[in-house]
Amino acid sequence: AQSVTQLDSQVPVFEEAPVELRCNYSSSVSVYLFWYVQYPNQGLQLLLKYLSGSTLVKGINGFEAEFNKSQTSFHLRKPSVHISDTAEYFCAVRTSNTGKLIFGQGTTLQVKP
Amino acid sequence: NAGVTQTPKFQVLKTGQSMTLQCAQDMNHNSMYWYRQDPGMGLRLIYYSASEGTTDKGEVPNGYNVSRLNKREFSLRLESAAPSQTSVYFCASSEPRGSGSPLHFGNGTRLTVT
Repeated sequence: AQSVTQLDSQVPVFEEAPVELRCNYSSSVSVYLFWYVQYPNQGLQLLLKYLSGSTLVKGINGFEAEFNKSQTSFHLRKPSVHISDTAEYFCAVRTSNTGKLIFGQGTTLQVKP
Repeated sequence: NAGVTQTPKFQVLKTGQSMTLQCAQDMNHNSMYWYRQDPGMGLRLIYYSASEGTTDKGEVPNGYNVSRLNKREFSLRLESAAPSQTSVYFCASSEPRGSGSPLHFGNGTRLTVT
């Protein structure tokens, strides 16, 4: 069975600073990887996804993530954050054979002025 | 386009009461899902339906039942609510498994069981 671990429950950062949100996964079969964002009192919105091909994936709002198969990681990065990026971020993995999407525990990004 | 619609948005139940959470999608997706979200635990899969007529257990199915009424609708039923089922429930839909397509989420149902 697959699993996802987000290594940081909270990440405080100052506005315009770079940020990295870490995600590791485990699976015995090939996977698709996703990052979702959840703003307060809202549903989840897709940030980006990795299906195959280039390991560097660009998403919305200036976010990008890099798939590292040897380290089974899919870390999310942004070079310069804004106050509006304050939200909860979820990493998720979906295997091609089951279709189930399993989420990590979430990381709260707190951008301070 | 409505996307994924969940009803109700809020609900308060007493222990032992039953209720059904409704979900409908208008994107002609085959797969539908029910998740619950609890602080510090992310989203946990309760049940999912790969296609009309099929349902499978997820990570935390105990205390819940589901019905895939047709391609559009996927309901979640609590037969005898317990305080441990206080949570925010999200319904989602996607293209069939193996496609790599992302899930599209509804806005959630906030359920409190007293």
